[in-house]
Amino acid sequence: AQSVTQLDSQVPVFEEAPVELRCNYSSSVSVYLFWYVQYPNQGLQLLLKYLSGSTLVKGINGFEAEFNKSQTSFHLRKPSVHISDTAEYFCAVTNNNAGNMLTFGGGTRLMVKP
Amino acid sequence: DTAVSQTPKYLVTQMGNDKSIKCEQNLGHDTMYWYKQDSKKFLKIMFSYNNKELIINETVPNRFSPKSPDKAHLNLHINSLELGDSAVYFCASSPSQLGYGYTFGSGTRLTVV
Repeated sequence: AQSVTQLDSQVPVFEEAPVELRCNYSSSVSVYLFWYVQYPNQGLQLLLKYLSGSTLVKGINGFEAEFNKSQTSFHLRKPSVHISDTAEYFCAVTNNNAGNMLTFGGGTRLMVKP
Repeated sequence: DTAVSQTPKYLVTQMGNDKSIKCEQNLGHDTMYWYKQDSKKFLKIMFSYNNKELIINETVPNRFSPKSPDKAHLNLHINSLELGDSAVYFCASSPSQLGYGYTFGSGTRLTVV
């Protein structure tokens, strides 16, 4: 079985400040990890993904994430956020035994304040 | 061109009615999914089809019935709607190969009154 925990349900931050959204996963086998963003009243859009190789993954809109196998984490970071980054962010996991089924975390609402 | 399109975008209906949500993808993907997002934004898999065959059927009331006439379409029919069915329903698609992630539709907001 696989599971994802997003430790923070809401993260308020001021514009141009750095941000980290935390994600921890549980799986008995090797994983593939994803971050999605959901803007209000829209579907989910892929930000970045980790499949293998370099543990630092860069995505769209200046976001990056680091895979840490020993800590079973895949935290999302951005060095300087904009008002337009206000959205819900979801971490997701799948593995070779899951039939390509993504299991999502509960989401973190990033609120960027002016 | 919209990659994964769902219709309708909004659906308001009375308890006890039957309704359908349609989903189409033009990406050539083999696998399609239905997810339910509740009021707390939690996303839960409902169904998955691969080349028109049901491969995932999570614990969902049998009032929900998916239908896949071809690999580009996955529709969701809901009988005898209840207040608790109110949610946003997302369709998604992906290639069969692992690691590509999903492409999501924009969602259907279902409100049962």
